Amino acid sequence: DTAVSQTPKYLVTQMGNDKSIKCEQNLGHDTMYWYKQDSKKFLKIMFSYNNKELIINETVPNRFSPKSPDKAHLNLHINSLELGDSAVYFCASSLPIAGGQNTGELFFGEGSRLTVL
Amino acid sequence: GNSVTQMEGPVTLSEEAFLTINCTYTATGYPSLFWYVQYPGEGLQLLLKATKADDKGSNKGFEATYRKETTSFHLEKGSVQVSDSAVYFCALSVWGSARQLTFGSGTQLTVLP
Repeated sequence: DTAVSQTPKYLVTQMGNDKSIKCEQNLGHDTMYWYKQDSKKFLKIMFSYNNKELIINETVPNRFSPKSPDKAHLNLHINSLELGDSAVYFCASSLPIAGGQNTGELFFGEGSRLTVL
Repeated sequence: GNSVTQMEGPVTLSEEAFLTINCTYTATGYPSLFWYVQYPGEGLQLLLKATKADDKGSNKGFEATYRKETTSFHLEKGSVQVSDSAVYFCALSVWGSARQLTFGSGTQLTVLP
């Protein structure tokens, strides 16, 4: 059973297009994240949702819009794609923030490699 | 703010060599510290963690000790294998209203047979 799954794994598209990446976790976690990994492997958090509520929104262009229909899903929609959006996008989840259960460990999906031409 | 400084790579070693990857951190509050590993074409996996000072995390022959006095969490392994070739990330997490991981820049390790 895949714990955190992302689709698609690879995405090649033209500049100016709109695309979405989907993420689902079956771990029962309340908190989900999107991270961006650039070509030098540097990881930067983009968004975090706790039980469908946005709690982290880093300095990300408005073209990026996360949506969490329920606590097991966190999708990422990107409008008007640009060359600089080419990267690997990782979804992750963790235990609830409240209640002392969360030691900070994240569980990652396998990544979605986006290439903008 | 919080930050993690990691030894720059790439690191190339022969099989059975000793490995050290340095990691130092700056944090407001009391962080938990982590090492994650990313094998080629895969997502990140937790390798080991330590949640308070002097704790030692260990897994698969890798170890790291949480040193508050030197704000460090260096990763070590006594004898590396080809299968250890991967990118290693040091990370920290601090209690707050929004708990998130802050990652170092990653260190590429290649182990040659």
